[in-house]
Formats: sequence, C-alpha cells, structure tokens
Amino acid sequence: DQQVKQNSPSLSVQEGRISILNCDYTNSMFDYFLWYKKYPAEGPTFLISISSIKDKNEDGRFTVFLNKSAKHLSLHIVPSQPGDSAVYFCAASAGGSEKLVFGKGMKLTVNP
Amino acid sequence: EPEVTQTPSHQVTQMGQEVILRCVPISNHLYFYWYRQILGQKVEFLVSFYNNEISEKSEIFDDQFSVERPDGSNFTLKIRSTKLEDSAMYFCASSARRLTGELFFGEGSRLTVL
Repeated sequence: DQQVKQNSPSLSVQEGRISILNCDYTNSMFDYFLWYKKYPAEGPTFLISISSIKDKNEDGRFTVFLNKSAKHLSLHIVPSQPGDSAVYFCAASAGGSEKLVFGKGMKLTVNP
Repeated sequence: EPEVTQTPSHQVTQMGQEVILRCVPISNHLYFYWYRQILGQKVEFLVSFYNNEISEKSEIFDDQFSVERPDGSNFTLKIRSTKLEDSAMYFCASSARRLTGELFFGEGSRLTVL
C-alpha cells in the first residue's frame, strides 16, 4: 500500500535555514492532508493540515503547499530550529472516511 | 495540557494469549481511534469509535480484535489470540471533531508477541 509516499527517509539542515519535506500521493479521492511530527518514545503530534480546496496553509513557521495536479504536497519550516528535529509524517484522508493513511515518515535533523 | 494516556507502555505476551491495551482519551473528546505501527513500517489505521460503536475499521481489524469503552473514560483494544505479527506499537488517539484528522495521540503501547 503506497498511497502516501515520502521518498526521502531523512533530511539534515542547518539551524535558521529552510526545511522542505515532500510527500506524494496516488489516491485522487484524498481531499484532506496533514503533517504530524513524532519525537522518540512519543505519539505523533498534529502539526498542520490543508484541505484540497486550498493550495497553501500557513501556521507560524510552518507552511504546507498542495499541488493537486501533481498529487504532491510539501511542508516548509522557516526558520528551522534544533527542536524541530523529529520524524515527520505526511497523512491523508478521503471524504467521509475516518481513516488517515500515513507515509513512512522522514527524519529531520536540524543542526545548531 | 490534556493528553491521551495509554497503559501498559510495554507488554510481552506469548502467542495465543489475550491482550488488552488501555487508553484514557482526552475528557471532552468524542471520537476515538486505534492505530498501530509495526517496526520499520507505516502507521496503520485499525479502527474508529464513536457513540459506543465502531464507525470504521480496516481490513487489519478482524475478528481477533475488539474495542470497547466500558466505563465512559477508558477505551480498550483487545486482541483475543495474539499472533507473532501482532507485535507492534499500538497508538490510541482521540479527537473533538470528526473528519478533521487532527488527532491527539497517546505515547503508545509496545506489544511484543513471543
């Protein structure tokens, strides 16, 4: 089941720079997309979401971009901070379904 | 800050034994979920629960699995006869609103089946 794909397993950036995390999906029925982050020994924590009727959503340092034609979304973190170091999961849901479909996650390391 | 709590944090069991994983969702939340993550794999949806009944379940959630909310606060996942492949981290989550995807997850219960 590869409906949500995070093709890069890891990313390392310098503190203060931009982090760009990418996610692709194959199911055209998905209409709601989310990013979660996860620290070791903790459960995933909701970060930001976007509906398919939008192409951008911003919350502080975090911005999610959605390109429906390319079935691609990305999370931008500006500026990156060492505390952002975590595993980031992209997730999606289809209209009317409770089920979130997660990607495999990507480990972000922000170096001081 | 309110949080979802799960017990036990780690359980080791023999194949074929019954296991109950417990969760206390955030108190004013109405929607409850179980997800699991097998080591090295994706987080997978198991079941959603609302108004004392299952609202949606995945193909993973077969007859060996059941959920209930026995006392209005706890939300439990029971695996009747565990298999080796049930070894995973099980996450409970709750939400105040339906279909937003904005779930509050617990720290997880690691199940090891020997």
